[in-house]
Amino acid sequence: LAKTTQPISMDSYEGQEVNITCSHNNIATNDYITWYQQFPSQGPRFIIQGYKTKVTNEVASLFIPADRKSSTLSLPRVSLSDTAVYYCLVGDLYGGATNKLIFGTGTLLAVQP
Amino acid sequence: EAGVVQSPRYKIIEKKQPVAFWCNPISGHNTLYWYRQNLGQGPELLIRYENEEAVDDSQLPKDRFSAERLKGVDSTLKIQPAELGDSAVYLCASSLSGQWGFSGSYNEQFFGPGTRLTVL
Repeated sequence: LAKTTQPISMDSYEGQEVNITCSHNNIATNDYITWYQQFPSQGPRFIIQGYKTKVTNEVASLFIPADRKSSTLSLPRVSLSDTAVYYCLVGDLYGGATNKLIFGTGTLLAVQP
Repeated sequence: EAGVVQSPRYKIIEKKQPVAFWCNPISGHNTLYWYRQNLGQGPELLIRYENEEAVDDSQLPKDRFSAERLKGVDSTLKIQPAELGDSAVYLCASSLSGQWGFSGSYNEQFFGPGTRLTVL
C-alpha cells in the first residue's frame, strides 16, 4: 500500500478556506485516495474519496492532479468545529478482499476565531 | 440508524489483569474491524472479520490478544494478560463489505467511539 506524507499540523481562522496536501509518490494504478476526519474522543469519519481530477461533496473537495502523486483536501470556510485530525489514505480498489486502511499520523488542523 | 456501539468507553486495570472490549457493528454490515490507536498516532488495524471469519489478523499480537465474532454480528476483543504498553484507544469499525469497489462503490468504514484502556 502506498505511503502517504502530510503536514503534521496547520492553523487557520474561521471563514477561511483550508487546503491540506498529501503526497503519495508510490500510488498504484488501482489505488483510490480517501480522507478521514477524527475529532478528540471519537473514531475517524469518512470525508471524501476520489481517483482522479476533482471530487466535491457537501463537506469538502478533493483535487487530484493527473499524475496522482499528490492530492489536496479543500475545506471551504472552516469553522471552529472543523478543528480535528485529517488523515489521507490510499488503498487498492481491486485488492481482492482487501480493504485495509493504513493511517499515518494525520494533519492536526486548528481553527481559531 | 444506530452507529457502531462499543463498551466500555473507559477501562482502567492493573498490568497482568485480563480485559475485554465489546463491539456491535451497524446492522447489516458484514465486515468488522478492530483497531488500536496510540496517543498521537493514527489507528492500526489489529484484525478484520468477514462475517464470522477472521480474514486478516496479521497485526494481532496472538500471544496475549484474542478476538471472536461467533455469530457474525457483535465481537469481543480480549487481552490477557495486559501490559503497560497496551494502554491505547481500541476502535471498532464496520463496513458493508471488505472489498473495495464492491458494487462499484467504496465501502466506507464506520467507526465506533472507542474504548480508552489505561494499564497501571
